[in-house]
Amino acid sequence: QKEVEQNSGPLSVPEGAIASLNCTYSDRGSQSFFWYRQYSGKSPELIMFIYSNGDKEDGRFTAQLNKASQYVSLLIRDSQPSDSATYLCAVRYGQNFVFGPGTRLSVLP
Amino acid sequence: DVKVTQSSRYLVKRTGEKVFLECVQDMDHENMFWYRQDPGLGLRLIYFSYDVKMKEKGDIPEGYSVSREKKERFSLILESASTNQTSMYLCASSFPGSGRLYEQYFGPGTRLTVT
Repeated sequence: QKEVEQNSGPLSVPEGAIASLNCTYSDRGSQSFFWYRQYSGKSPELIMFIYSNGDKEDGRFTAQLNKASQYVSLLIRDSQPSDSATYLCAVRYGQNFVFGPGTRLSVLP
Repeated sequence: DVKVTQSSRYLVKRTGEKVFLECVQDMDHENMFWYRQDPGLGLRLIYFSYDVKMKEKGDIPEGYSVSREKKERFSLILESASTNQTSMYLCASSFPGSGRLYEQYFGPGTRLTVT
């Protein structure tokens, strides 16, 4: 059984701080890694993907991948109240995706 | 712009009814998926399809079936709805191929309540 784990939170950070979200996965055969943001009552929307070791930056978001440790993280710099949402980590295995339970982030004004 | 639409945002059905949830995508994606999402359990895969008339069971297929007669349309069927099928149902689609990219795009979801 392929598993993806995340801390459920809530993770609370003050506005302007860095939010750090973590995800571990069980299968070394994983190929691609995705971070989705989901606002309450809405469907997930993709914010970042990464497939090779190291960091990938897009605006205020940085995804980090360490395949040896089977670990993916998402950093959100200069956090804003509008970043308050649940963040889902997803791992692609072949044609399928396995999602973590999500981490609820709360950015306090 | 990728668009995945679902037939209803909210649906209320009675126990024992047959329920149809429709999903349509306009990006010519081969792969389509049905998930349910419940608090504390995350997204769980019910069924997926790689091509027209093709279907594969996901992690929780019991009590569900699917139909894919056309590439753009993927239907989820609850043969006899039960209260434990009350949930948010999400449809998604993606391009095929293994490897690096090919993220999933999600529809807006259908919140189904079975009474």
